[in-house]
Order: sequence, then C-alpha cells, then structure tokens
Amino acid sequence: GIQVEQSPPDLILQEGANSTLRCNFSDSVNNLQWFHQNPWGQLINLFYIPSGTKQNGRLSATTVATERYSLLYISSSQTTDSGVYFCAVTLRLTFGEGTQLTVNP
Amino acid sequence: SAVISQKPSRDICQRGTSLTIQCQVDSQVTMMFWYRQQPGQSLTLIATANQGSEATYESGFVIDKFPISRPNLTFSTLTVSNMSPEDSSIYLCSVEDGGSDSFGYEQYFGPGTRLTVT
Repeated sequence: GIQVEQSPPDLILQEGANSTLRCNFSDSVNNLQWFHQNPWGQLINLFYIPSGTKQNGRLSATTVATERYSLLYISSSQTTDSGVYFCAVTLRLTFGEGTQLTVNP
Repeated sequence: SAVISQKPSRDICQRGTSLTIQCQVDSQVTMMFWYRQQPGQSLTLIATANQGSEATYESGFVIDKFPISRPNLTFSTLTVSNMSPEDSSIYLCSVEDGGSDSFGYEQYFGPGTRLTVT
C-alpha cells in the first residue's frame, strides 16, 4: 500500500515563530488532507489539497503531486496551534505518523 | 460540511465484554468509515461501512471482532467484541463529503470514542 512519511516528528517553537511541516507519499494520489488533532483528540480539517496551493489565515499548504509531497506552513505560531498535525492520502485515508507541535509562550 | 456525533464519548469496560459505538450524521452520506487510534499512534482504517451490505474490512481487522452495521445513510455502529486491554483506543467515524472542487471528496471526523479496557 501507499506509504506516507511526515517530518519532523516533533517540533518545539516559541510563540510567533514560523514553521514548515512536510508530507511525502510513495504513489500518486487524488486526495490529500491535512488535519490538526487538538489536545482533546478532535480532528480538525485544515486543508483538502490534492494539488496546488491554498491559504487560510496564518496557515497555508502546497502540494506538488508530480513530486509526491505536500507542505504545511504555519506562520506567527500561537500556543493554540499546539497538537499533532496529520497528513492523510487516498479515499480510504492512509495517515502519516504525524508531527507533534508544541508552541511555548 | 456534515456534522457528526458519536456515542458514547468515552467508556471504561471490563475485558471480555463488548461495546457498541454509534455514529450519527446530520445529512445523508454515501461513504462512512471507522478508524482506530491507539495511544500515541496515528489513525488506522478499520473498515468502510456500506449501506445495505456488509462492511469492507482492511487487512488485520475482521468482522467477528469489529462487527459494523449501516442501516441507512445517516447512521452506523461499530461493536468492539470480546475486548482486551489492547483494544484501548480512540475509535472515530468519518464521512466523505463534497470537497472544495469537483474532482474529489473531503473526509470529516466525529469527535471520537475514548475506550479504556481494564
């Protein structure tokens, strides 16, 4: 099956810093989503982005489907951005292992 | 996007017993899925819940252990049978909803059921 690798596995930032999270996938996909899992376990949809670039406030994402990777950018991070960020691909979603983000005040 | 609810939100169960988790959606959806998230791990797909037919299970998951019902287009149940401590996980249902473009569909997740087996 398709493999999904996320990096880095852990990231610690000071409030206000910027960060880039990466998702590599092993085969072509027609579906890619980014999620944020908050400390209460709720999965929050960030982007549905099988290709191209999207922006939503301080967050943006880019997927280069031909090169099989996606990037999630977080600018001016806040403590509420803390949690685990997952990339998932294909219809029956295959998840990466996630990036644990901690933003310190 | 669809609004999804799950019951119960959490439970503590004795080993050897079974628990049925309910997933309710506020609109009719074609595709519903069940996922498991073991402690400190990522999410793994258990099965696709098919309306009017048997669920389609992923490798490593079997119907006897995780029976699934899908009586209509807004509701599904997942039963965790003959539980052991290794079944302690968050169980999440998800639905596929119309995405932001005409070529694909976005999945949305319920709040999850946090199960602890003692």
